[in-house]
Amino acid sequence: DTAVSQTPKYLVTQMGNDKSIKCEQNLGHDTMYWYKQDSKKFLKIMFSYNNKELIINETVPNRFSPKSPDKAHLNLHINSLELGDSAVYFCASSQGVGGVDTQYFGPGTRLTVL
Amino acid sequence: GQNIDQPTEMTATEGAIVQINCTYQTSGFNGLFWYQQHAGEAPTFLSYNVLDGLEEKGRFSSFLSRSKGYSYLLLKELQMKDSASYLCAVRDSNYQLIWGAGTKLIIKP
Repeated sequence: DTAVSQTPKYLVTQMGNDKSIKCEQNLGHDTMYWYKQDSKKFLKIMFSYNNKELIINETVPNRFSPKSPDKAHLNLHINSLELGDSAVYFCASSQGVGGVDTQYFGPGTRLTVL
Repeated sequence: GQNIDQPTEMTATEGAIVQINCTYQTSGFNGLFWYQQHAGEAPTFLSYNVLDGLEEKGRFSSFLSRSKGYSYLLLKELQMKDSASYLCAVRDSNYQLIWGAGTKLIIKP
């Protein structure tokens, strides 16, 4: 059984388009995250939700809008895509925010903006 | 500002031992994590340190010195499958994970 799943795995699109990436976790975790990993492999936190509430919102353009319909899902919608948005986007989840709170990552979505 | 430093790349020989260092400067400290990431795949959890000292888990060990802002990941009996990037991450006072850029480990036969 897949613990954290993302769709699609690959996404190729034109500049200016709007696209969404979906994430689901079946671990019963309370907290979910979106990360961006650029070509230099640096993982940057974008958003974090705990029980459907936004708790971390880093300096991310407002073209990026997360939506959490329930605590098992955290989707990412991106408007007016730009070349610099090309990266791998990882969804992750964890039980809480303390202790050995391991984050489990999804397989990633490789976004290419042409 | 918050900063995590790791070497960009290291090379080691199959069967040998390698130590990957991580130094950090963060606003507060609530634990340090090591993750492994194979090329094209997601990061996976390796170890967690919150108190000073060595945590051993099979071929992998992780050490922490909070006073020095320093950790290392020790990999013994290296195997070809250990070729991957190793990411150091520190949880700050806001319980937010701050990630290093990762160390790419190349294992040669």
